[in-house]
Amino acid sequence: NAGVMQNPRHLVRRRGQEARLRCSPMKGHSHVYWYRQLPEEGLKFMVYLQKENIIDESGMPKERFSAEFPKEGPSILRIQQVVRGDSAAYFCASRTQPTGELFFGEGSRLTVL
Amino acid sequence: KQEVTQIPAALSVPEGENLVLNCSFTDSAIYNLQWFRQDPGKGLTSLLLIQSSQREQTSGRLNASLDKSSGRSTLYIAASQPGDSATYLCAVSFSNDYKLSFGAGTTVTVRA
Repeated sequence: NAGVMQNPRHLVRRRGQEARLRCSPMKGHSHVYWYRQLPEEGLKFMVYLQKENIIDESGMPKERFSAEFPKEGPSILRIQQVVRGDSAAYFCASRTQPTGELFFGEGSRLTVL
Repeated sequence: KQEVTQIPAALSVPEGENLVLNCSFTDSAIYNLQWFRQDPGKGLTSLLLIQSSQREQTSGRLNASLDKSSGRSTLYIAASQPGDSATYLCAVSFSNDYKLSFGAGTTVTVRA
């Protein structure tokens, strides 16, 4: 059973470009969470999704950021018109229902030039 | 506000010494608590999960305790090894959506 898969692992964008980060949850997991880790800071919750539904996006900036988890395919975190302050590691986690244990991917590290 | 605090921020011990890492949280009504390990530039590895109804969990050299009434959890690592050097993160779920709130972590260095 493969773990949570994130790609790309590293992404470089220039200011104003778009970044798309993908997350494939563990098999059988229908709950996905995105977190952001800024340099020298802790992990901050961004958004919680179930298949085809955004459950909680209270941690996501209101502008430029969006997330989806379609019926088929990976969850996508999209950042439009990136700025230098978006440079961070973005982690995805998934869980199944019974225990509430979250499993994290290796992260996607975004660098904005 | 529901917060998670880890003290100290960094810890250095000689090999073989037992490690004690502390985590405190502001709201005793938790759903579960997870301890993670993070190596530099890497993802998070889940070490232990303690459900709200449990007092402790053990896995090999690791033991984690939970005291909801005092808002504390402690991670014990017995007989530390240089390979235990990493940042250890405590995370608490305060709601039934299992969204985690993280502490800032304790960075551990085990000296050979």
